[in-house]
Amino acid sequence: DGGITQSPKYLFRKEGQNVTLSCEQNLNHDAMYWYRQDPGQGLRLIYYSQIVNDFQKGDIAEGYSVSREKKESFPLTVTSAQKNPTAFYLCASSPRKGGRETQYFGPGTRLLVL
Amino acid sequence: GDSVTQMEGPVTLSEEAFLTINCTYTATGYPSLFWYVQYPGEGLQLLLKATKADDKGSNKGFEATYRKETTSFHLEKGSVQVSDSAVYFCAPKAAGNKLTFGGGTRVLVKP
Repeated sequence: DGGITQSPKYLFRKEGQNVTLSCEQNLNHDAMYWYRQDPGQGLRLIYYSQIVNDFQKGDIAEGYSVSREKKESFPLTVTSAQKNPTAFYLCASSPRKGGRETQYFGPGTRLLVL
Repeated sequence: GDSVTQMEGPVTLSEEAFLTINCTYTATGYPSLFWYVQYPGEGLQLLLKATKADDKGSNKGFEATYRKETTSFHLEKGSVQVSDSAVYFCAPKAAGNKLTFGGGTRVLVKP
C-alpha cells in the first residue's frame, strides 16, 4: 500500500531536549511538508522540500530543523529553542510543489512536553 | 497571500439533518479547491476537490461546487450521520503557491 507513515504516534520531550519526528512516503512524491496543528486551530506550515537536499522555511520555522537526504524521508527535529512545542505534527507530500495537486497527509505525531 | 474564511464551529446537528459549511477564499492565480476532513486524533484526509469553475466535487454524500464569481466552495451533505463528526478544512491551492488552510469547522452529529 502506498502512503505516508509517521512515527512515533506519541512523543514526549523533556526540557532542553531535541527530538526528531519521522516521516516516510512511498508515493514517489517530490514535495514533502511539515505542519503544526494546535488544539482547535488550523494547520501552519513549518518547512517544505521540493527536491532532495533542498528545503525552505515555512511560516513558523523558528525552533525547528529538517533534512531531506532521501526522496522518501523528511524528518523534523524540534529543538530546545522551540519554547512551546506541544502540538500535533502532520507530514504531507504531493507530486510536486508548484502544481495544483492535492497533498496527502500522514496520521500525525502528538508531541508532549514533560 | 492566499486566505480562507470558514464558518466557525462547532456545528451541532442531529442525525439525518442537512449540513452546510461555508467557505470563501482569496487566491492569486486560478486555484484548485479542496475539502479535507480530520477525524479525532488522526491526520487529514482529502474529502473532495474541484479544479475549475463550476466543477462539482463529491464524495461520501458530500458535495461542493467551485464558484469562481463568488470565490466560494461551500460544503454540503443532505443527511449527516454520527460518523460524519469531524473537523472540516477548506483549502485553495494555486500553482506555485502553498496549500492554504482555513481554521477548520468542527461538526458534531448527535444520534
